[in-house]
Amino acid sequence: DSGVTQTPKHLITATGQRVTLRCSPRSGDLSVYWYQQSLDQGLQFLIQYYNGEERAKGNILERFSAQQFPDLHSELNLSSLELGDSALYFCASSPGRGNQPQHFGDGTRLSIL
Amino acid sequence: GEDVEQSLFLSVREGDSSVINCTYTDSSSTYLYWYKQEPGAGLQLLTYIFSNMDMKQDQRLTVLLNKKDKHLSLRIADTQTGDSAIYFCAETFTDKLIFGTGTRLQVFP
Repeated sequence: DSGVTQTPKHLITATGQRVTLRCSPRSGDLSVYWYQQSLDQGLQFLIQYYNGEERAKGNILERFSAQQFPDLHSELNLSSLELGDSALYFCASSPGRGNQPQHFGDGTRLSIL
Repeated sequence: GEDVEQSLFLSVREGDSSVINCTYTDSSSTYLYWYKQEPGAGLQLLTYIFSNMDMKQDQRLTVLLNKKDKHLSLRIADTQTGDSAIYFCAETFTDKLIFGTGTRLQVFP
Protein backbone atom coordinates (compact mmCIF):
# COMPACT_ATOMS: atom_id res chain seq x y z
CA ASP A 1 0.00 0.00 0.00
CA SER A 2 1.59 3.26 -1.17
CA GLY A 3 -0.56 5.45 1.06
CA VAL A 4 -1.94 7.35 -1.94
CA THR A 5 -5.70 6.92 -2.34
CA GLN A 6 -7.57 7.43 -5.57
CA THR A 7 -11.31 7.30 -6.12
CA PRO A 8 -13.20 6.02 -7.92
CA LYS A 9 -11.37 2.94 -9.20
CA HIS A 10 -13.48 2.78 -12.34
CA LEU A 11 -15.56 5.31 -14.23
CA ILE A 12 -17.70 4.64 -17.26
CA THR A 13 -19.30 7.57 -18.99
CA ALA A 14 -20.26 8.92 -22.40
CA THR A 15 -18.70 11.37 -24.80
CA GLY A 16 -19.34 15.01 -23.96
CA GLN A 17 -19.66 14.36 -20.24
CA ARG A 18 -17.60 15.71 -17.34
CA VAL A 19 -15.99 13.69 -14.54
CA THR A 20 -13.96 14.39 -11.43
CA LEU A 21 -11.16 12.14 -10.19
CA ARG A 22 -10.03 12.44 -6.61
CA CYS A 23 -6.68 11.84 -4.95
CA SER A 24 -5.51 11.88 -1.34
CA PRO A 25 -1.73 12.02 -1.00
CA ARG A 26 0.39 10.15 1.53
CA SER A 27 0.32 11.67 4.98
CA GLY A 28 2.81 14.53 5.09
CA ASP A 29 3.29 14.82 1.32
CA LEU A 30 2.75 18.30 -0.07
CA SER A 31 3.13 17.60 -3.80
CA VAL A 32 0.54 15.87 -5.92
CA TYR A 33 1.15 14.81 -9.52
CA TRP A 34 -1.31 13.57 -12.13
CA TYR A 35 -0.32 11.18 -14.93
CA GLN A 36 -2.25 9.59 -17.77
CA GLN A 37 -1.50 6.07 -19.01
CA SER A 38 -2.88 5.12 -22.41
CA LEU A 39 -1.98 2.44 -24.91
CA ASP A 40 -0.79 4.85 -27.57
CA GLN A 41 0.89 7.54 -25.43
CA GLY A 42 2.25 5.49 -22.54
CA LEU A 43 2.67 7.25 -19.19
CA GLN A 44 2.45 11.02 -19.56
CA PHE A 45 2.79 13.71 -16.92
CA LEU A 46 -0.20 16.04 -16.76
CA ILE A 47 0.22 18.47 -13.89
CA GLN A 48 1.77 19.01 -10.45
CA TYR A 49 0.54 20.90 -7.41
CA TYR A 50 2.60 21.81 -4.39
CA ASN A 51 0.88 22.94 -1.21
CA GLY A 52 -2.13 24.21 -3.11
CA GLU A 53 -0.30 25.96 -5.92
CA GLU A 54 0.19 24.76 -9.48
CA ARG A 55 3.90 24.06 -9.92
CA ALA A 56 4.37 22.33 -13.26
CA LYS A 57 2.29 21.58 -16.31
CA GLY A 58 2.81 18.84 -18.84
CA ASN A 59 0.72 17.51 -21.68
CA ILE A 60 -2.59 18.49 -20.16
CA LEU A 61 -5.46 19.37 -22.48
CA GLU A 62 -7.37 22.61 -22.02
CA ARG A 63 -10.49 20.52 -21.36
CA PHE A 64 -8.75 19.16 -18.25
CA SER A 65 -8.14 21.07 -15.05
CA ALA A 66 -6.98 20.27 -11.56
CA GLN A 67 -6.74 21.79 -8.14
CA GLN A 68 -5.29 21.00 -4.73
CA PHE A 69 -7.32 21.88 -1.67
CA PRO A 70 -6.17 23.14 1.76
CA ASP A 71 -6.32 19.61 3.15
CA LEU A 72 -3.91 18.67 0.29
CA HIS A 73 -6.24 16.33 -1.54
CA SER A 74 -6.45 16.97 -5.26
CA GLU A 75 -9.08 16.66 -7.95
CA LEU A 76 -8.64 16.26 -11.69
CA ASN A 77 -11.59 17.47 -13.73
CA LEU A 78 -12.07 16.17 -17.25
CA SER A 79 -14.73 17.79 -19.41
CA SER A 80 -16.19 17.44 -22.91
CA LEU A 81 -14.93 13.90 -22.84
CA GLU A 82 -13.84 12.20 -26.04
CA LEU A 83 -13.25 8.54 -26.83
CA GLY A 84 -9.52 9.19 -26.80
CA ASP A 85 -9.65 10.24 -23.14
CA SER A 86 -10.18 6.62 -22.14
CA ALA A 87 -7.13 5.80 -20.05
CA LEU A 88 -5.80 5.02 -16.62
CA TYR A 89 -5.25 8.18 -14.58
CA PHE A 90 -2.70 8.04 -11.80
CA CYS A 91 -2.04 10.33 -8.94
CA ALA A 92 1.32 10.38 -7.19
CA SER A 93 2.67 12.30 -4.22
CA SER A 94 6.02 13.31 -2.78
CA PRO A 95 7.06 15.20 0.34
CA GLY A 96 8.54 18.34 -1.19
CA ARG A 97 8.40 20.49 -4.27
CA GLY A 98 9.84 17.83 -6.52
CA ASN A 99 12.89 15.80 -7.53
CA GLN A 100 12.02 13.20 -4.90
CA PRO A 101 10.63 9.68 -5.16
CA GLN A 102 6.97 9.72 -6.11
CA HIS A 103 4.53 7.17 -4.73
CA PHE A 104 1.57 6.27 -6.90
CA GLY A 105 -2.03 5.41 -6.20
CA ASP A 106 -3.80 2.48 -7.87
CA GLY A 107 -5.29 4.72 -10.52
CA THR A 108 -8.74 5.48 -11.88
CA ARG A 109 -9.69 3.64 -15.05
CA LEU A 110 -11.82 5.90 -17.22
CA SER A 111 -13.82 4.36 -20.04
CA ILE A 112 -15.65 6.58 -22.50
CA LEU A 113 -18.45 4.90 -24.45
CA GLY B 1 14.01 16.56 -25.58
CA GLU B 2 13.90 14.10 -22.74
CA ASP B 3 13.46 10.46 -23.68
CA VAL B 4 13.69 7.11 -21.93
CA GLU B 5 14.03 3.90 -23.90
CA GLN B 6 13.51 0.30 -22.89
CA SER B 7 13.14 -2.97 -24.72
CA LEU B 8 9.55 -4.17 -24.82
CA PHE B 9 9.81 -7.81 -23.76
CA LEU B 10 11.93 -10.13 -21.68
CA SER B 11 11.27 -13.80 -21.05
CA VAL B 12 13.20 -15.75 -18.40
CA ARG B 13 13.01 -19.10 -16.69
CA GLU B 14 12.05 -19.25 -13.05
CA GLY B 15 15.15 -19.19 -10.85
CA ASP B 16 17.30 -17.39 -13.42
CA SER B 17 18.37 -13.75 -13.19
CA SER B 18 16.55 -11.08 -15.19
CA VAL B 19 18.25 -7.95 -16.44
CA ILE B 20 16.11 -5.08 -17.69
CA ASN B 21 17.92 -2.25 -19.43
CA CYS B 22 17.09 1.41 -19.93
CA THR B 23 18.72 4.42 -21.56
CA TYR B 24 17.83 7.99 -20.72
CA THR B 25 18.75 11.41 -22.05
CA ASP B 26 18.67 13.97 -19.26
CA SER B 27 22.08 13.96 -17.58
CA SER B 28 20.83 16.32 -14.87
CA SER B 29 18.38 13.76 -13.42
CA THR B 30 18.94 13.57 -9.68
CA TYR B 31 17.16 10.27 -9.24
CA LEU B 32 16.44 7.37 -11.58
CA TYR B 33 13.65 4.99 -10.77
CA TRP B 34 12.26 1.55 -11.38
CA TYR B 35 8.53 1.02 -11.06
CA LYS B 36 6.61 -2.24 -11.34
CA GLN B 37 3.08 -2.57 -12.70
CA GLU B 38 1.20 -5.82 -12.32
CA PRO B 39 -1.86 -6.52 -14.49
CA GLY B 40 -4.75 -4.28 -13.53
CA ALA B 41 -2.76 -2.64 -10.77
CA GLY B 42 -1.05 0.66 -10.08
CA LEU B 43 2.61 1.62 -10.20
CA GLN B 44 4.72 0.30 -7.37
CA LEU B 45 7.98 2.10 -6.62
CA LEU B 46 10.48 -0.77 -6.63
CA THR B 47 13.72 1.05 -6.10
CA TYR B 48 15.62 4.18 -7.08
CA ILE B 49 19.19 5.31 -7.32
CA PHE B 50 20.71 8.69 -6.67
CA SER B 51 22.70 10.00 -9.60
CA ASN B 52 26.01 10.06 -7.71
CA MET B 53 25.84 6.31 -7.10
CA ASP B 54 26.97 3.52 -9.40
CA MET B 55 25.15 0.67 -7.79
CA LYS B 56 22.40 -0.01 -5.30
CA GLN B 57 21.39 -3.39 -3.94
CA ASP B 58 18.13 -4.16 -2.22
CA GLN B 59 17.54 -7.85 -1.48
CA ARG B 60 17.03 -9.53 -4.89
CA LEU B 61 17.25 -6.25 -6.78
CA THR B 62 20.45 -4.66 -8.05
CA VAL B 63 20.45 -1.35 -9.88
CA LEU B 64 23.46 -0.34 -11.94
CA LEU B 65 23.96 3.19 -13.23
CA ASN B 66 26.43 4.19 -15.94
CA LYS B 67 26.20 7.96 -16.12
CA LYS B 68 28.68 8.26 -18.94
CA ASP B 69 26.53 6.11 -21.21
CA LYS B 70 23.23 7.20 -19.58
CA HIS B 71 22.39 3.57 -19.02
CA LEU B 72 20.41 2.11 -16.15
CA SER B 73 19.76 -1.55 -15.47
CA LEU B 74 17.70 -3.57 -13.04
CA ARG B 75 18.80 -7.08 -12.15
CA ILE B 76 16.36 -9.40 -10.42
CA ALA B 77 18.06 -12.41 -8.88
CA ASP B 78 16.27 -15.76 -8.59
CA THR B 79 13.32 -14.54 -10.65
CA GLN B 80 9.95 -15.88 -9.54
CA THR B 81 6.59 -16.14 -11.31
CA GLY B 82 5.37 -13.35 -9.03
CA ASP B 83 7.90 -11.06 -10.70
CA SER B 84 5.94 -11.23 -13.96
CA ALA B 85 4.88 -7.64 -14.61
CA ILE B 86 5.75 -4.55 -16.62
CA TYR B 87 8.81 -2.69 -15.37
CA PHE B 88 9.16 1.01 -16.04
CA CYS B 89 12.33 3.00 -15.90
CA ALA B 90 11.88 6.71 -15.16
CA GLU B 91 14.06 9.77 -14.94
CA THR B 92 13.28 13.09 -13.32
CA PHE B 93 13.06 16.12 -15.54
CA THR B 94 12.22 19.44 -13.85
CA ASP B 95 10.46 17.52 -11.05
CA LYS B 96 8.19 15.44 -13.29
CA LEU B 97 8.88 11.82 -14.15
CA ILE B 98 9.60 10.78 -17.72
CA PHE B 99 8.79 7.12 -18.18
CA GLY B 100 10.04 4.57 -20.63
CA THR B 101 7.62 2.39 -22.56
CA GLY B 102 7.97 -0.40 -20.02
CA THR B 103 9.48 -3.88 -20.33
CA ARG B 104 7.10 -6.78 -19.99
CA LEU B 105 8.82 -9.52 -18.00
CA GLN B 106 7.43 -12.99 -18.45
CA VAL B 107 8.66 -15.73 -16.13
CA PHE B 108 8.08 -19.31 -17.17
CA PRO B 109 8.51 -22.46 -15.08
